[in-house]
Amino acid sequence: GNSVTQMEGPVTLSEEAFLTINCTYTATGYPSLFWYVQYPGEGLQLLLKATKADDKGSNKGFEATYRKETTSFHLEKGSVQVSDSAVYFCALSAAPEFGNEKLTFGTGTRLTIIP
Amino acid sequence: DVKVTQSSRYLVKRTGEKVFLECVQDMDHENMFWYRQDPGLGLRLIYFSYDVKMKEKGDIPEGYSVSREKKERFSLILESASTNQTSMYLCASSLIWAGNTEAFFGQGTRLTVV
Repeated sequence: GNSVTQMEGPVTLSEEAFLTINCTYTATGYPSLFWYVQYPGEGLQLLLKATKADDKGSNKGFEATYRKETTSFHLEKGSVQVSDSAVYFCALSAAPEFGNEKLTFGTGTRLTIIP
Repeated sequence: DVKVTQSSRYLVKRTGEKVFLECVQDMDHENMFWYRQDPGLGLRLIYFSYDVKMKEKGDIPEGYSVSREKKERFSLILESASTNQTSMYLCASSLIWAGNTEAFFGQGTRLTVV
């Protein structure tokens, strides 16, 4: 079945540091890939997405490139801010051989940025 | 502004009680989902529904059931609550798959079973 493996957390960085959160996946067919973010006390919201190989998703200074050859979708940001402190989830969506489309999530990575 | 609303932010229930978690979306989405979120385990899919009165089991359906009588409302039912069902429950909705599914989430219900 489909699965997402995500970098273990928690991750603590200083403000303006470079961020990478690793994500690899296993899926049949050609999945779409997503990063969702959960700020404290809130539900998840979509951060960025990529629907085919070599696509780059970007939003709020975050980027991730869909790498089919390494089955990866690593999240990066060049200079993090305190307001980026949140839990980040990598996810994929793929049409199974039978049944209906659904999202599969990784375990989440808690990011804390210190001033 | 798109919205998924869960009826309660916090619930405390006793072991053995029947518990209803309600979710309403105002986006006319076909798909609705219930997940539970636990530290170190991420989000795990309990059930989802792709149409009114239609449902499909997710990865951890045991101990749960669902109801979708109207398109905008999706209920999660704990038939007999147990302490291992203490968790954060998240409802989500999305359009029918068109190669670009984005899910919209509610704020979550933190359920404690004592």
